[in-house]
Amino acid sequence: AQKVTQAQTEISVVEKEDVTLDCVYETRDTTYYLFWYKQPPSGELVFLIRRNSFDEQNEISGRYSWNFQKSTSSFNFTITASQVVDSAVYFCALKRTSGTYKYIFGTGTRLKVLA
Amino acid sequence: GAVVSQHPSWVICKSGTSVKIECRSLDFQATTMFWYRQFPKQSLMLMATSNEGSKATYEQGVEKDKFLINHASLTLSTLTVTSAHPEDSSFYICSARRGSADEQFFGPGTRLTVL
Repeated sequence: AQKVTQAQTEISVVEKEDVTLDCVYETRDTTYYLFWYKQPPSGELVFLIRRNSFDEQNEISGRYSWNFQKSTSSFNFTITASQVVDSAVYFCALKRTSGTYKYIFGTGTRLKVLA
Repeated sequence: GAVVSQHPSWVICKSGTSVKIECRSLDFQATTMFWYRQFPKQSLMLMATSNEGSKATYEQGVEKDKFLINHASLTLSTLTVTSAHPEDSSFYICSARRGSADEQFFGPGTRLTVL
Protein backbone atom coordinates (compact mmCIF):
# COMPACT_ATOMS: atom_id res chain seq x y z
CA ALA A 1 0.00 0.00 0.00
CA GLN A 2 1.11 3.53 -0.65
CA LYS A 3 0.80 6.31 1.84
CA VAL A 4 1.97 9.86 2.36
CA THR A 5 2.16 11.35 5.82
CA GLN A 6 2.43 15.03 6.58
CA ALA A 7 2.45 15.03 10.35
CA GLN A 8 2.44 18.82 10.69
CA THR A 9 -1.14 19.97 10.38
CA GLU A 10 -0.43 23.64 10.78
CA ILE A 11 2.70 25.72 11.23
CA SER A 12 2.95 29.41 12.06
CA VAL A 13 6.15 31.36 11.59
CA VAL A 14 7.11 34.98 11.59
CA GLU A 15 8.18 36.50 8.32
CA LYS A 16 11.84 35.90 7.41
CA GLU A 17 12.04 32.74 9.47
CA ASP A 18 13.02 29.49 7.78
CA VAL A 19 10.48 26.70 7.89
CA THR A 20 10.63 23.03 6.97
CA LEU A 21 7.61 21.01 5.98
CA ASP A 22 7.93 17.29 6.51
CA CYS A 23 6.79 14.54 4.19
CA VAL A 24 7.19 10.83 4.86
CA TYR A 25 5.99 8.27 2.37
CA GLU A 26 5.44 4.54 2.16
CA THR A 27 5.67 2.45 -0.96
CA ARG A 28 6.88 -0.97 -2.00
CA ASP A 29 7.80 0.26 -5.45
CA THR A 30 11.46 0.71 -6.28
CA THR A 31 10.74 3.59 -8.60
CA TYR A 32 8.22 6.32 -8.02
CA TYR A 33 7.71 10.06 -8.20
CA LEU A 34 7.29 12.54 -5.40
CA PHE A 35 5.69 15.94 -5.74
CA TRP A 36 5.08 19.08 -3.76
CA TYR A 37 2.15 21.37 -4.48
CA LYS A 38 1.12 24.69 -3.00
CA GLN A 39 -2.56 25.50 -2.56
CA PRO A 40 -3.13 29.19 -1.79
CA PRO A 41 -6.51 30.43 -0.51
CA SER A 42 -7.77 30.66 -4.10
CA GLY A 43 -7.72 26.86 -4.18
CA GLU A 44 -5.70 26.32 -7.33
CA LEU A 45 -2.90 23.82 -6.93
CA VAL A 46 0.49 25.20 -7.87
CA PHE A 47 3.13 22.69 -8.90
CA LEU A 48 6.42 23.15 -7.07
CA ILE A 49 8.58 20.15 -7.79
CA ARG A 50 8.69 16.59 -9.06
CA ARG A 51 11.39 14.20 -7.94
CA ASN A 52 12.13 10.77 -9.36
CA SER A 53 13.08 8.15 -6.80
CA PHE A 54 16.43 7.39 -8.37
CA ASP A 55 17.50 11.02 -8.22
CA GLU A 56 18.44 11.75 -4.65
CA GLN A 57 20.09 15.06 -5.33
CA ASN A 58 18.72 17.82 -3.24
CA GLU A 59 17.31 20.75 -5.14
CA ILE A 60 17.21 24.46 -4.57
CA SER A 61 14.99 26.91 -6.37
CA GLY A 62 15.26 30.42 -5.04
CA ARG A 63 14.02 30.37 -1.45
CA TYR A 64 12.75 26.82 -1.81
CA SER A 65 14.79 23.70 -1.24
CA TRP A 66 13.98 20.03 -1.04
CA ASN A 67 15.76 17.28 0.84
CA PHE A 68 15.08 13.78 -0.48
CA GLN A 69 16.27 10.97 1.77
CA LYS A 70 15.38 7.61 0.34
CA SER A 71 16.84 5.82 3.36
CA THR A 72 14.24 7.42 5.62
CA SER A 73 11.51 7.72 2.97
CA SER A 74 11.31 11.44 3.44
CA PHE A 75 11.00 14.34 1.06
CA ASN A 76 11.11 17.50 3.12
CA PHE A 77 10.55 21.01 1.86
CA THR A 78 12.25 24.08 3.28
CA ILE A 79 11.31 27.69 2.69
CA THR A 80 14.09 30.10 3.54
CA ALA A 81 13.30 33.62 4.67
CA SER A 82 9.58 33.01 4.56
CA GLN A 83 7.22 35.67 3.29
CA VAL A 84 3.55 36.34 3.90
CA VAL A 85 2.81 35.23 0.33
CA ASP A 86 4.07 31.78 1.26
CA SER A 87 0.99 31.32 3.43
CA ALA A 88 -0.87 28.38 1.93
CA VAL A 89 -1.53 24.69 2.32
CA TYR A 90 1.29 22.54 1.02
CA PHE A 91 0.70 19.01 -0.20
CA CYS A 92 3.19 16.25 -0.75
CA ALA A 93 2.17 13.52 -3.20
CA LEU A 94 3.43 10.15 -4.39
CA LYS A 95 2.91 8.46 -7.75
CA ARG A 96 3.97 5.13 -9.12
CA THR A 97 6.04 5.15 -12.29
CA SER A 98 4.06 2.34 -13.88
CA GLY A 99 0.54 1.04 -13.84
CA THR A 100 -1.86 3.45 -12.26
CA TYR A 101 -1.28 7.14 -12.67
CA LYS A 102 -3.01 8.02 -9.43
CA TYR A 103 -1.49 10.51 -7.09
CA ILE A 104 -1.55 9.72 -3.41
CA PHE A 105 -1.74 13.00 -1.53
CA GLY A 106 -0.74 13.68 2.02
CA THR A 107 -3.14 15.51 4.30
CA GLY A 108 -1.37 18.79 3.76
CA THR A 109 0.37 21.28 6.02
CA ARG A 110 -1.15 24.70 6.49
CA LEU A 111 1.59 27.31 6.69
CA LYS A 112 0.84 30.71 8.14
CA VAL A 113 3.52 33.34 7.77
CA LEU A 114 2.88 36.29 10.02
CA ALA A 115 4.08 39.77 9.21
CA GLY B 1 1.75 25.23 -21.83
CA ALA B 2 -0.34 22.56 -20.12
CA VAL B 3 -3.25 24.68 -18.97
CA VAL B 4 -6.38 23.11 -17.55
CA SER B 5 -9.55 25.08 -17.06
CA GLN B 6 -12.71 24.34 -15.14
CA HIS B 7 -16.13 25.80 -15.51
CA PRO B 8 -17.86 27.06 -13.52
CA SER B 9 -15.44 28.20 -10.85
CA TRP B 10 -18.24 28.19 -8.33
CA VAL B 11 -21.86 27.14 -8.32
CA ILE B 12 -24.70 27.28 -5.85
CA CYS B 13 -27.68 25.03 -6.41
CA LYS B 14 -30.76 23.76 -4.63
CA SER B 15 -30.91 20.32 -3.15
CA GLY B 16 -32.17 17.77 -5.67
CA THR B 17 -30.86 19.48 -8.76
CA SER B 18 -28.03 18.26 -10.97
CA VAL B 19 -24.86 20.20 -11.60
CA LYS B 20 -22.38 19.75 -14.42
CA ILE B 21 -18.74 20.75 -14.10
CA GLU B 22 -16.50 20.94 -17.15
CA CYS B 23 -12.79 20.31 -17.26
CA ARG B 24 -10.84 21.28 -20.35
CA SER B 25 -7.24 20.92 -21.37
CA LEU B 26 -6.61 24.10 -23.33
CA ASP B 27 -3.35 23.50 -25.09
CA PHE B 28 -2.82 19.77 -25.08
CA GLN B 29 -4.67 16.53 -25.54
CA ALA B 30 -5.41 14.76 -22.30
CA THR B 31 -5.29 10.99 -22.52
CA THR B 32 -6.49 10.70 -18.97
CA MET B 33 -8.38 13.04 -16.70
CA PHE B 34 -8.90 12.76 -12.98
CA TRP B 35 -11.55 14.12 -10.68
CA TYR B 36 -10.82 14.94 -7.06
CA ARG B 37 -12.96 16.16 -4.20
CA GLN B 38 -11.63 18.25 -1.37
CA PHE B 39 -13.61 18.99 1.77
CA PRO B 40 -12.67 22.05 3.82
CA LYS B 41 -9.28 21.72 5.45
CA GLN B 42 -8.83 18.25 4.10
CA SER B 43 -6.72 16.62 1.44
CA LEU B 44 -7.62 15.84 -2.14
CA MET B 45 -9.41 12.57 -2.55
CA LEU B 46 -9.44 10.94 -5.96
CA MET B 47 -12.97 10.20 -7.08
CA ALA B 48 -12.43 8.72 -10.52
CA THR B 49 -10.12 8.35 -13.46
CA SER B 50 -11.43 8.75 -16.97
CA ASN B 51 -9.90 7.91 -20.30
CA GLU B 52 -11.20 9.39 -23.49
CA GLY B 53 -13.88 7.25 -25.06
CA SER B 54 -14.17 4.75 -22.25
CA LYS B 55 -15.99 4.43 -18.97
CA ALA B 56 -14.54 6.08 -15.93
CA THR B 57 -12.93 4.06 -13.18
CA TYR B 58 -14.32 5.05 -9.81
CA GLU B 59 -12.55 4.82 -6.51
CA GLN B 60 -13.99 2.68 -3.79
CA GLY B 61 -16.86 4.38 -2.04
CA VAL B 62 -17.68 6.80 -4.85
CA GLU B 63 -21.18 6.36 -6.24
CA LYS B 64 -21.07 5.98 -10.00
CA ASP B 65 -24.72 6.89 -10.44
CA LYS B 66 -24.36 10.03 -8.42
CA PHE B 67 -21.15 11.32 -9.96
CA LEU B 68 -21.44 10.84 -13.70
CA ILE B 69 -18.25 11.33 -15.62
CA ASN B 70 -18.04 11.72 -19.35
CA HIS B 71 -14.77 12.04 -21.24
CA ALA B 72 -16.09 12.62 -24.72
CA SER B 73 -12.99 14.11 -26.27
CA LEU B 74 -9.29 14.43 -25.64
CA THR B 75 -9.78 17.93 -24.29
CA LEU B 76 -13.00 17.72 -22.32
CA SER B 77 -14.26 15.77 -19.34
CA THR B 78 -17.43 16.52 -17.44
CA LEU B 79 -18.54 15.63 -13.94
CA THR B 80 -22.24 15.72 -13.26
CA VAL B 81 -23.39 15.63 -9.66
CA THR B 82 -26.89 14.23 -9.88
CA SER B 83 -29.59 15.01 -7.33
CA ALA B 84 -27.14 17.05 -5.32
CA HIS B 85 -27.51 17.24 -1.56
CA PRO B 86 -25.83 19.52 0.98
CA GLU B 87 -23.29 16.83 1.82
CA ASP B 88 -22.06 17.03 -1.78
CA SER B 89 -20.92 20.58 -1.15
CA SER B 90 -17.20 20.53 -1.72
CA PHE B 91 -14.33 21.76 -3.85
CA TYR B 92 -14.02 19.67 -6.99
CA ILE B 93 -10.70 19.64 -8.82
CA CYS B 94 -9.88 18.03 -12.10
CA SER B 95 -6.49 17.20 -13.52
CA ALA B 96 -5.29 16.03 -16.88
CA ARG B 97 -2.45 13.87 -17.99
CA ARG B 98 -0.75 14.85 -21.20
CA GLY B 99 0.20 11.93 -23.43
CA SER B 100 2.47 9.54 -21.60
CA ALA B 101 3.69 12.18 -19.17
CA ASP B 102 3.92 11.24 -15.51
CA GLU B 103 2.72 14.60 -14.35
CA GLN B 104 -0.85 15.74 -13.90
CA PHE B 105 -1.87 19.31 -14.62
CA PHE B 106 -4.52 20.61 -12.28
CA GLY B 107 -7.48 22.82 -12.96
CA PRO B 108 -8.36 25.75 -10.70
CA GLY B 109 -11.21 23.89 -9.04
CA THR B 110 -14.97 24.35 -8.77
CA ARG B 111 -16.60 25.19 -5.48
CA LEU B 112 -20.03 23.58 -5.21
CA THR B 113 -22.49 24.67 -2.58
CA VAL B 114 -25.77 22.80 -2.31
CA LEU B 115 -28.47 24.55 -0.31
